[in-house]
Amino acid sequence: GENVEQHPSTLSVQEGDSAVIKCTYSDSASNYFPWYKQELGKRPQLIIDIRSNVGEKKDQRIAVTLNKTAKHFSLHITETQPEDSAVYFCAASGPGGSYIPTFGRGTSLIVHP
Amino acid sequence: KAGVTQTPRYLIKTRGQQVTLSCSPISGHRSVSWYQQTPGQGLQFLFEYFSETQRNKGNFPGRFSGRQFSNSRSEMNVSTLELGDSALYLCASSPSGSSGEQYFGPGTRLTVT
Repeated sequence: GENVEQHPSTLSVQEGDSAVIKCTYSDSASNYFPWYKQELGKRPQLIIDIRSNVGEKKDQRIAVTLNKTAKHFSLHITETQPEDSAVYFCAASGPGGSYIPTFGRGTSLIVHP
Repeated sequence: KAGVTQTPRYLIKTRGQQVTLSCSPISGHRSVSWYQQTPGQGLQFLFEYFSETQRNKGNFPGRFSGRQFSNSRSEMNVSTLELGDSALYLCASSPSGSSGEQYFGPGTRLTVT
């Protein structure tokens, strides 16, 4: 089955800095890569996703890049703000797993004012 | 559209008891997946239901079961509760499961004493 590794487990940055979270996946058949943000005590929320026919996708201060050859994808957050503090999960899914996403272990992002 | 709802939000049970959790998906969504979230293991997939049929299953013991009704509402049941079953149980709905996009409910916090 699919295996997703996510790094780092904790990331501490100063407000205004950029943050990068990286994930690798094992199943080359995976073709959908969502990122979820989970604030303390709240549900995971989809913040951005990318499909395997695209190399990069941006939405305001967040972007995701995908390298299919190397089987890794990354979340980039620019100009971080305290409200970006949360746990971020990457996931990979595709035909091999009947579209059920396999999640990374999560990255706790702390943005210091 | 109303989001995914889960009831109850909090539950305290003792070892050996059983519990039933409920999930109402977004209107029109036919796929409901269940996850167990714990600090050490992240988001672990339990099972997915689509059109009242279990379509996918994760690696959990048979004490964990579920079902889906004709209106797409889903329930999961855990029998003979163990201390290690204490977790946040999240359900997620998806239009069909094929796109990979999932929308999470707020979760049910289960504590087993």
